Amino acid sequence: QVQLVESGGGVVQPGGSLRLSCAASGFTFSSYGMHWVRQAPGKGLEWVAFIRYDGSNKYYADSVKGRFTISRDNSKNTLYLQMNSLRAEDTAVYYCAKDSGIAVAGYYFDYWGQGTLVTVSS
Amino acid sequence: SYVLTQPPSVSVAPGKTARITCGGNNIGSKSVHWYQQKPGQAPVLVIYYDSDRPSGIPERFSGSNSGNTATLTISRVEAGDEADYYCQVWDSSSDGVFGGGTKLTVL
Repeated sequence: QVQLVESGGGVVQPGGSLRLSCAASGFTFSSYGMHWVRQAPGKGLEWVAFIRYDGSNKYYADSVKGRFTISRDNSKNTLYLQMNSLRAEDTAVYYCAKDSGIAVAGYYFDYWGQGTLVTVSS
Repeated sequence: SYVLTQPPSVSVAPGKTARITCGGNNIGSKSVHWYQQKPGQAPVLVIYYDSDRPSGIPERFSGSNSGNTATLTISRVEAGDEADYYCQVWDSSSDGVFGGGTKLTVL
């Protein structure tokens, strides 16, 4: 069965950095695009970033463009999100989510991890 | 940027039908996907490509999309359907877009 397990969350000061990881299993990781989606406390879902199955294309929400970098290591079945210049408004639960399409993205999320909490506070 | 508008809340009695709308400019030309999120849990896909159901999702869940409104319909509502529901599209200029979410309350 598909499993996505995020890690790396924690408390960080404004302006700091953090790297999130998402360990994938139960499917051929190297064949699917992957996303990060976040949810601020008590708020709705916000799409953050997407990476194509082979890492050749990456898309970002305007709110994180230039500060966050999505990447993947298909040999380790792991997705990453490098977050720099963190702000208070980046405080959220960060979910990794599997794209539905094999090789060609479907651009919706058929499996989600349980999320990891990032708190940006001094 | 593309905007999706959902009602903040919908209430329905058990056994009745709940309809949750998702408004967007010419949304009928896009593929709409719906997610259910219960408190403290990750979202779960309940409808994709406007009206398709993933395996394991009850037939009581259905979807439609036309013009400027997409609709998630839950028939014979049960207490266990109480959750937040989000619509989502992929837009060529905005990329991933979610609606603000609708809290479904079962009376």
